[in-house]
Amino acid sequence: RKEVEQDPGPFNVPEGATVAFNCTYSNSASQSFFWYRQDCRKEPKLLMSVYSSGNEDGRFTAQLNRASQYISLLIRDSKLSDSATYLCVVNSFNTNAGKSTFGDGTTLTVKP
Amino acid sequence: NAGVTQTPKFRVLKTGQSMTLLCAQDMNHEYMYWYRQDPGMGLRLIHYSVGEGTTAKGEVPDGYNVSRLKKQNFLLGLESAAPSQTSVYFCASGKDRDQPRNEKLFFGSGTQLSVL
Repeated sequence: RKEVEQDPGPFNVPEGATVAFNCTYSNSASQSFFWYRQDCRKEPKLLMSVYSSGNEDGRFTAQLNRASQYISLLIRDSKLSDSATYLCVVNSFNTNAGKSTFGDGTTLTVKP
Repeated sequence: NAGVTQTPKFRVLKTGQSMTLLCAQDMNHEYMYWYRQDPGMGLRLIHYSVGEGTTAKGEVPDGYNVSRLKKQNFLLGLESAAPSQTSVYFCASGKDRDQPRNEKLFFGSGTQLSVL
């Protein structure tokens, strides 16, 4: 089983739709969580951090459920420019190292 | 402030050749990472470093070596390239001493490597 698993997708939605992505992680000692966005053939870029209380950034809402080891990303009022691959990232730390584990990503295509 | 810079952007090697990828960051980050990404897959950690002079193995270290002689540079070496190492390589850095809780990663633009 992979450490971080995401919905395989792809998600094809019309403009204006609401879409949600899910991510589960297996390491219960994981400490911090993020969503990154990756455009085709480009480097990943941080979209938002995920906090225990849930957090919102404009049309994007991230949720964390530590008990279920589950992270979600909700995109409201989808735009064409939201088309990308969304990567779930989980950080865990041992005594002297930080390690980010990436999910395989979920591809979103927003159509006119 | 250039962020994270990777060189080269593209490279074609023949099986058995060697090469070094250079990653440089100007954000005073402690941690640096090398990932590879294959088509349709997520990023897999090759090696990482938590500070100058230190390196550690990631998920897929075989066939690669790294060095972090200076805090701002992290080198990835392929001693004898194999076709299985054809991939896109991303360098990343994160975590500076002034903001220890800042765990965001900043990525270079990637290196497309083809091994024939």
